[in-house]
Amino acid sequence: RKEVEQDPGPFNVPEGATVAFNCTYSNSASQSFFWYRQDCRKEPKLLMSVYSSGNEDGRFTAQLNRASQYISLLIRDSKLSDSATYLCVVIGTSGTYKYIFGTGTRLKVLA
Amino acid sequence: NAGVTQTPKFRVLKTGQSMTLLCAQDMNHEYMYWYRQDPGMGLRLIHYSVGEGTTAKGEVPDGYNVSRLKKQNFLLGLESAAPSQTSVYFCASSDGTGGEETQYFGPGTRLLVL
Repeated sequence: RKEVEQDPGPFNVPEGATVAFNCTYSNSASQSFFWYRQDCRKEPKLLMSVYSSGNEDGRFTAQLNRASQYISLLIRDSKLSDSATYLCVVIGTSGTYKYIFGTGTRLKVLA
Repeated sequence: NAGVTQTPKFRVLKTGQSMTLLCAQDMNHEYMYWYRQDPGMGLRLIHYSVGEGTTAKGEVPDGYNVSRLKKQNFLLGLESAAPSQTSVYFCASSDGTGGEETQYFGPGTRLLVL
């Protein structure tokens, strides 16, 4: 089983729709979680952190479910500009290297 | 601030040639990283550094070497390029304070090995 797994998509949604992605992780001791956004042929950029209590930033909501070992990203009122690949990142606890990236979920928002 | 910059942006090599990718950051970050990104594989760590003069192997270090002689620079070397090293290479840095530190990425270097 991969340490971090994401549905690659693509998720094709109309403008204004609500869409949600999940990301599962295998290490129950993982401490920190993030969502990064990557536009086509660009570098990843931090979208938001995921806290145990959840995190909301405008149209974006991130949540953590430790019991089931997954994090989620909810996007409300989708915009064309939200079209991108969303990478889940888990900070592991084994070894000296921490960041583990998922392969990403591709979102296409259609006009 | 320029953030994280990478040189070159694009390169074509023949099998067996060597090259060095340069990463520079102006945020005074302690930690620096080299990743490669391939379709369906996500970002994979090649090597990383937790401070000037230190380097460590990541997930896929074979065929690559690195050096961190100055805090702001992290070099990735390919001694004898192979077609399997065709990829997009991203450099990143973070402040190394632990916990929820953000990684800042450079714009990437696209490498094609023929």
